[in-house]
Amino acid sequence: KQEVTQIPAALSVPEGENLVLNCSFTDSAIYNLQWFRQDPGKGLTSLLLIQSSQREQTSGRLNASLDKSSGRSTLYIAASQPGDSATYLCAARMDSSYKLIFGSGTRLLVRP
Amino acid sequence: DAGVIQSPRHEVTEMGQEVTLRCKPISGHDYLFWYRQTMMRGLELLIYFNNNVPIDDSGMPEDRFSAKMPNASFSTLKIQPSEPRDSAVYFCASSHLPSDTQYFGPGTRLTVL
Repeated sequence: KQEVTQIPAALSVPEGENLVLNCSFTDSAIYNLQWFRQDPGKGLTSLLLIQSSQREQTSGRLNASLDKSSGRSTLYIAASQPGDSATYLCAARMDSSYKLIFGSGTRLLVRP
Repeated sequence: DAGVIQSPRHEVTEMGQEVTLRCKPISGHDYLFWYRQTMMRGLELLIYFNNNVPIDDSGMPEDRFSAKMPNASFSTLKIQPSEPRDSAVYFCASSHLPSDTQYFGPGTRLTVL
């Protein structure tokens, strides 16, 4: 059974700092991995999607990497801003099914 | 596009009552997903549809839960009878091939007293 874990559960950093959020999964036979952002009281917004054949994806200040052999993905946020404060969740899609397995999220606070 | 629309945004009901949550997916999307989010269990997939047909309902917790998609623009998730442990935020999401990206609605916060 696939399990997705995110560490740390919460992170507080000063504005401008570069930071890395971690996601690990137990079954390396993933189809793809997605990173989402969730603001309080809101739904999820997809940030980046990495296919199993890819090593990384970039969007603006965000860069996500995938290492299937080690069962890890990281989300790198450059030059963090207070507006980046939110909960970040990763989700693994395991096979041809559309079922996503979510991690419990990392709650990020960027202090001005 | 208006995005995924869910109603109601908040629902407070008493134990034993029937609850119906509604979702309108993004036009043209052929996949629709229902999720439940709680502090204890995180975000869990309940059921998903492809072209209005239920594909995987293994996440539906009990027979008290049922979901329908009568057409491409509307889906319901029904709980009958509701119990306090059903209290959670219920999200609807939609997507379409070839993109795998799922677009989430704002959620319905359900409180069962």
